[in-house]
Amino acid sequence: DAGITQSPRHKVTETGTPVTLRCHQTENHRYMYWYRQDPGHGLRLIHYSYGVKDTDKGEVSDGYSVSRSKTEDFLLTLESATSSQTSVYFCAISESDREGTEAFFGQGTRLTVV
Amino acid sequence: GQNIDQPTEMTATEGAIVQINCTYQTSGFNGLFWYQQHAGEAPTFLSYNVLDGLEEKGRFSSFLSRSKGYSYLLLKELQMKDSASYLCAGVDSNYQLIWGAGTKLIIKP
Repeated sequence: DAGITQSPRHKVTETGTPVTLRCHQTENHRYMYWYRQDPGHGLRLIHYSYGVKDTDKGEVSDGYSVSRSKTEDFLLTLESATSSQTSVYFCAISESDREGTEAFFGQGTRLTVV
Repeated sequence: GQNIDQPTEMTATEGAIVQINCTYQTSGFNGLFWYQQHAGEAPTFLSYNVLDGLEEKGRFSSFLSRSKGYSYLLLKELQMKDSASYLCAGVDSNYQLIWGAGTKLIIKP
């Protein structure tokens, strides 16, 4: 199994509070991604990173920020959590973004905003 | 716009064969992935197709028709452990993955 760990695995937080989710990899893969998964929707890309300090927005980036200060860590921050951000969040890693390069996923973080 | 369509749910019998279809519309095309996701777990890679035709990998096969914007995943000799969601994802011209909502496959004894 690819060495990718998400923390925490479960979190309940109150509306308006900041929340940070962590993704840690031991594979030295260049690319890291944050997705959210909601019923009836496919995985939706929030932000991704293509190297240390190199990040870009995905299709649902509003209300989220990310940081990557080391190859192995990719942090996702909800600046002020809202109920619409209740979701399961997956981190993924890949060696490349080119054809056929599979992504490996972490076990997910279930976030509930009350 | 970009879109991936796949059935929401399918039911099949243990030992049988099932075909899960996926149609895609992407801005450019750089291949199509299938992933398996058991309930409460992470998606795991099953297959990747970029050329037309059938790719076989054990009990699982994946087919692609670029001219029709169509793919399917074929599962043979179904086992109870195959009960899962199957996610189709197209790769667009920017090498971004566009994901379908997934097909939940229920296997009955």
